[in-house]
Amino acid sequence: AQSVAQPEDQVNVAEGNPLTVKCTYSVSGNPYLFWYVQYPNRGLQFLLKYITGDNLVKGSYGFEAEFNKSQTSFHLKKPSALVSDSALYFCAVRDNNQGGKLIFGQGTELSVKP
Amino acid sequence: DGGITQSPKYLFRKEGQNVTLSCEQNLNHDAMYWYRQDPGQGLRLIYYSQIVNDFQKGDIAEGYSVSREKKESFPLTVTSAQKNPTAFYLCASSPWGLRTSGANVLTFGAGSRLTVL
Repeated sequence: AQSVAQPEDQVNVAEGNPLTVKCTYSVSGNPYLFWYVQYPNRGLQFLLKYITGDNLVKGSYGFEAEFNKSQTSFHLKKPSALVSDSALYFCAVRDNNQGGKLIFGQGTELSVKP
Repeated sequence: DGGITQSPKYLFRKEGQNVTLSCEQNLNHDAMYWYRQDPGQGLRLIYYSQIVNDFQKGDIAEGYSVSREKKESFPLTVTSAQKNPTAFYLCASSPWGLRTSGANVLTFGAGSRLTVL
């Protein structure tokens, strides 16, 4: 079965420090991977995606993600966290067996303290 | 501005009542989706539609119904058969097709919060 896992329910980071939000996946065929962010009581916003090419993908708001095929991971990173980065982050993978719909992880709550 | 509009933002329902959540998009996207969000469970797909007059069940379709009579609109009805309907409902749209630019990059609405009294 195709799936995506976010092993941490919550990540706490001090402002100015680097942050990492972890994601691992299981998919048949080529992986198409995505990160979305959700602010309270709002819909999700697209951050970045990996389809093919460079393993380091750059996205919105200074975020980037590193694709690692051998570890089946797609961790979200940012060199210097901001308080305004505090939100719920979702990793997603394209379901290659089900017409291309997305499978979302359970989400990781990122809290950045001043 | 292009985007997705969901209404109402908040909705209260008595047990045994059907309710319909509206979703309209002006992005000219072929595909539309309904997700349910519960705390700690992420997003679960209810229904999706790739084209007008066609839709497929997602992972938790029981107790829900949809229609896709127009490209712009994908309303969701939460029926009385849905045993635990209290949740945050998210509508999304995207281009469709393996080789379509932007495929699977979903644009989400702001959500509708349904509470059963």
